[in-house]
Amino acid sequence: KAGVTQTPRYLIKTRGQQVTLSCSPISGHRSVSWYQQTPGQGLQFLFEYFSETQRNKGNFPGRFSGRQFSNSRSEMNVSTLELGDSALYLCASSTEQSSMAEAFFGQGTRLTVV
Amino acid sequence: DAKTTQPPSMDCAEGRAANLPCNHSTISGNEYVYWYRQIHSQGPQYIIHGLKNNETNEMASLIITEDRKSSTLILPHATLRDTAVYYCIVRGYQKVTFGTGTKLQVIP
Repeated sequence: KAGVTQTPRYLIKTRGQQVTLSCSPISGHRSVSWYQQTPGQGLQFLFEYFSETQRNKGNFPGRFSGRQFSNSRSEMNVSTLELGDSALYLCASSTEQSSMAEAFFGQGTRLTVV
Repeated sequence: DAKTTQPPSMDCAEGRAANLPCNHSTISGNEYVYWYRQIHSQGPQYIIHGLKNNETNEMASLIITEDRKSSTLILPHATLRDTAVYYCIVRGYQKVTFGTGTKLQVIP
């Protein structure tokens, strides 16, 4: 079956703009979580959704937001982009309410802010 | 804040066991320990997880100390394809804390 699909794969944005990233989970998976990966900070948890409800949120400013739709697809939005938002954004899906349990990751969206 | 620390790098001879340590001294009673690995340019791959007891699956074994302040991931017979960055993650109901990762190099 198809894996986790993230679109777009690469993105270049200008400071101050906003961006929306998309994640399609594996069919049947109801839990979707988002992560930011940078060389300096490593992997950091952004937020987690289960059945359209945000269950947990990491320590990120309010410029970072997300949502999950009834078909379990998820989007994350970053407003007023800063240079430091340049990162690989990873999405993972799982059947479990605990999003880390045997989660499958997508290839990520590499965002560059210039 | 919870801290999860790992050595930055390790080498292992092909065919030998790779033992990757993780220190999570501030772990709470209801927090799980997860291990994932990331091969260059790919998304992380789930390996194993546990709460208190040692766990084993087809990929690896996870040994958690009795006080739960540290754990060790064991790859019993490392192959060249196991070369990757290995992340130890502590996950509670409200919090997910990633370790900085150990780059494991399997040497022929």
